[in-house]
Amino acid sequence: GAVVSQHPSWVICKSGTSVKIECRSLDFQATTMFWYRQFPKQSLMLMATSNEGSKATYEQGVEKDKFLINHASLTLSTLTVTSAHPEDSSFYICSAREVAHEQYFGPGTRLTVT
Amino acid sequence: AQKITQTQPGMFVQEKEAVTLDCTYDTSDPSYGLFWYKQPSSGEMIFLIYQGSYDQQNATEGRYSLNFQKARKSANLVISASQLGDSAMYFCAMADNQGGKLIFGQGTELSVKP
Repeated sequence: GAVVSQHPSWVICKSGTSVKIECRSLDFQATTMFWYRQFPKQSLMLMATSNEGSKATYEQGVEKDKFLINHASLTLSTLTVTSAHPEDSSFYICSAREVAHEQYFGPGTRLTVT
Repeated sequence: AQKITQTQPGMFVQEKEAVTLDCTYDTSDPSYGLFWYKQPSSGEMIFLIYQGSYDQQNATEGRYSLNFQKARKSANLVISASQLGDSAMYFCAMADNQGGKLIFGQGTELSVKP
């Protein structure tokens, strides 16, 4: 089956620094990638939709200047959390879409901001 | 706007018994897809089953079946012969056929007792 990877799987950073999370589709070309955020014991909340070669579409309430998304190629999308603060600590999950309704999830990245 | 509701925060089931996890949805789109995902404590999202709005028959995948009642806007997941490894969070999700982005329910934490 289709495989999506995320790197790093976990990261600890200091408040005020920026963190980049990579999402890669390993064996297929992903025209669309999605970024989700999940707090403990809560559901996944869609942050943004990323299409290759174009600007990401952010969901209402998500700061695009804080969560920078780049989808530079058909196999790679990156999420950069700029000037991270403790409230940004969360589980970030990406997914990649290949055909009509097939969407494959990455294993997630656990971000802790101290 | 699309909405997914899971009203059972937690469920218990005895090993080898069947369990039903509830999911109701709301959408004005005639074409949509319904998904169920399993999320173990590791955090990965595992796809279980899919039901298209125009599918005539209820979807089945091994021990998983989806009880799709379109008029009631419900898409309950039935797990037969529960196993200890089924203990996890279960999310119901809906996608439209345009962008494919998923809207998730609140989740149900299933615990299988030996």
